[in-house]
Amino acid sequence: DQQVKQNSPSLSVQEGRISILNCDYTNSMFDYFLWYKKYPAEGPTFLISISSIKDKNEDGRFTVFLNKSAKHLSLHIVPSQPGDSAVYFCAASDGTYKYIFGTGTRLKVLA
Amino acid sequence: ETGVTQTPRHLVMGMTNKKSLKCEQHLGHNAMYWYKQSAKKPLELMFVYSLEERVENNSVPSRFSPECPNSSHLFLHLHTLQPEDSALYLCASSQDLYSGGTEAFFGQGTRLTVV
Repeated sequence: DQQVKQNSPSLSVQEGRISILNCDYTNSMFDYFLWYKKYPAEGPTFLISISSIKDKNEDGRFTVFLNKSAKHLSLHIVPSQPGDSAVYFCAASDGTYKYIFGTGTRLKVLA
Repeated sequence: ETGVTQTPRHLVMGMTNKKSLKCEQHLGHNAMYWYKQSAKKPLELMFVYSLEERVENNSVPSRFSPECPNSSHLFLHLHTLQPEDSALYLCASSQDLYSGGTEAFFGQGTRLTVV
């Protein structure tokens, strides 16, 4: 049973609008969450993180929100740009190196 | 060269072949990882090394054999693989091992096809 789920395999958004990527988890022991971005033929690259003591973390156009009671996190990209088109993975950890990854959401930003 | 480098980028091998994947990190990190990514599945952690010592062997079949000769290099030796082992194999490194706040830096991966 997957402990980290990204239920939307793909998402299309118009350039300049907001992209919202969602991630749900089941393990209440998870206390640190990461988002990675992956372009074709490249490895995942770290994007942004959040610890369970926060409910929001912002870095430029990227904001991650954490709702612990709902076991849900989301990544907001605003404004979305064509270069943001990639696969986005969320990952969760219980404080160890054993990050559990979701299956990814493919974002396509339309020009 | 910087970051995490994997070679080869693509590999096709027969089920009776023996091959090795190589990973090198130039970040001065202490921990290195092998992940497997199969189609439509999440990344699966295979092996973890910290300061050249293996700390995780995640129920991986013995046809996969890791080697970490020093903190900068990691190998994955492959022998008598099965077609279902075809996947993207990713190497990663991180500064520290037992830290929830540590993100991993990934290589570009080796796309392995077993025929």
